[in-house]
Amino acid sequence: AQSVTQPDIHITVSEGASLELRCNYSYGATPYLFWYVQSPGQGLQLLLKYFSGDTLVQGIKGFEAEFKRSQSSFNLRKPSVHWSDAAEYFCAVGETNRDDKIIFGKGTRLHILP
Amino acid sequence: GAVVSQHPSWVICKSGTSVKIECRSLDFQATTMFWYRQFPKQSLMLMATSNEGSKATYEQGVEKDKFLINHASLTLSTLTVTSAHPEDSSFYICSARDGGTYGYTFGSGTRLTVV
Repeated sequence: AQSVTQPDIHITVSEGASLELRCNYSYGATPYLFWYVQSPGQGLQLLLKYFSGDTLVQGIKGFEAEFKRSQSSFNLRKPSVHWSDAAEYFCAVGETNRDDKIIFGKGTRLHILP
Repeated sequence: GAVVSQHPSWVICKSGTSVKIECRSLDFQATTMFWYRQFPKQSLMLMATSNEGSKATYEQGVEKDKFLINHASLTLSTLTVTSAHPEDSSFYICSARDGGTYGYTFGSGTRLTVV
């Protein structure tokens, strides 16, 4: 079975600084990988996804992520964060079988300093 | 883009009663829908996977008789929490998969409080 690890529970960065959120996965085949963002009390919004092809994926709101098979990682990056980026970020991995369910990491809470 | 409508957004019910939560895909056919549960400040835990016209597949540890899932059409899935108790209070989120694009879209969630 697949699993997702987000090693950082909380991350604090200053507004305007760069950001990298870490995600490692465990899956036997080529995974489908996702990053979602959740504001308090809200549903999830897809930032970006990787299925195949170019390992550097561009998403919404200026986010990007890079799939590194050798490191089993799919880290999320943003060159300059805004105060509105403060939220919970979830990395997820999808199974490529009949059910195609996706499993979420525990999340990383991003705090932005003014 | 794909939109999933989830209702109600919040509900308060008395212990022992049942609550139904609806999840609708508005502009695509959802071959598969997923139900998640999220405790405060925690991640989403997959409860079950439902495919249109067939029985739901429940994750280990999820009581199928308590959390009834019906996926009667390609645009609607419902989760019924039967005989709800305070420990069932949680944030429930549905997700619908567009069979054509392999896109997953999430509903806005339902905050259930059992008193």
